[in-house]
Amino acid sequence: GEDVEQSLFLSVREGDSSVINCTYTDSSSTYLYWYKQEPGAGLQLLTYIFSNMDMKQDQRLTVLLNKKDKHLSLRIADTQTGDSAIYFCAESKENGNKLVFGAGTILRVKS
Amino acid sequence: KAGVTQTPRYLIKTRGQQVTLSCSPISGHRSVSWYQQTPGQGLQFLFEYFSETQRNKGNFPGRFSGRQFSNSRSEMNVSTLELGDSALYLCASSRLWTSGSKIVGDTQYFGPGTRLTVL
Repeated sequence: GEDVEQSLFLSVREGDSSVINCTYTDSSSTYLYWYKQEPGAGLQLLTYIFSNMDMKQDQRLTVLLNKKDKHLSLRIADTQTGDSAIYFCAESKENGNKLVFGAGTILRVKS
Repeated sequence: KAGVTQTPRYLIKTRGQQVTLSCSPISGHRSVSWYQQTPGQGLQFLFEYFSETQRNKGNFPGRFSGRQFSNSRSEMNVSTLELGDSALYLCASSRLWTSGSKIVGDTQYFGPGTRLTVL
């Protein structure tokens, strides 16, 4: 099937690290993505990783990819209240331009 | 560089009507994809256009159609609207390039969406 699965909810305290997990299905996916959606807004591309990489770091964001287990994670260091949003994991199919999304993880940051 | 723009941002229609949504991609991006987002079904792929041709299609009925113009702008049309078509419609643009005989897509950038309400 085409299921991408994510945990539905994560609550952390401001300043802590957040880790959002995702499992995907297609081992031939070229890219794996993390998008952020704030209330009433579209999708903001946060970061992406090529399928031949294990890790990518971009400021407060760290993406880890375990191809064997088809597991992707997003770590947000020093989580801030402005990070409260829904985070979507997505895998690319059909030569890259069909994205299959997970259901999204609601991140709540408590001050 | 301007981002992906979508018009209109909000739309209210009644059942049985039709609607046309518009998307202007980032300059230089020739691929435009459309997605539907609903609370029940999440984010689902509708279709993708490249060089004025539909390249990929999701599992939606024929009431959903689209097209792309020579300047890469795209429109999607939904005919005979149903209550279940109420959703946020998102457009994404990306570059495409060829790798040997394959066409490979680049990262997709999304617009703010059009919120369609069907009464």
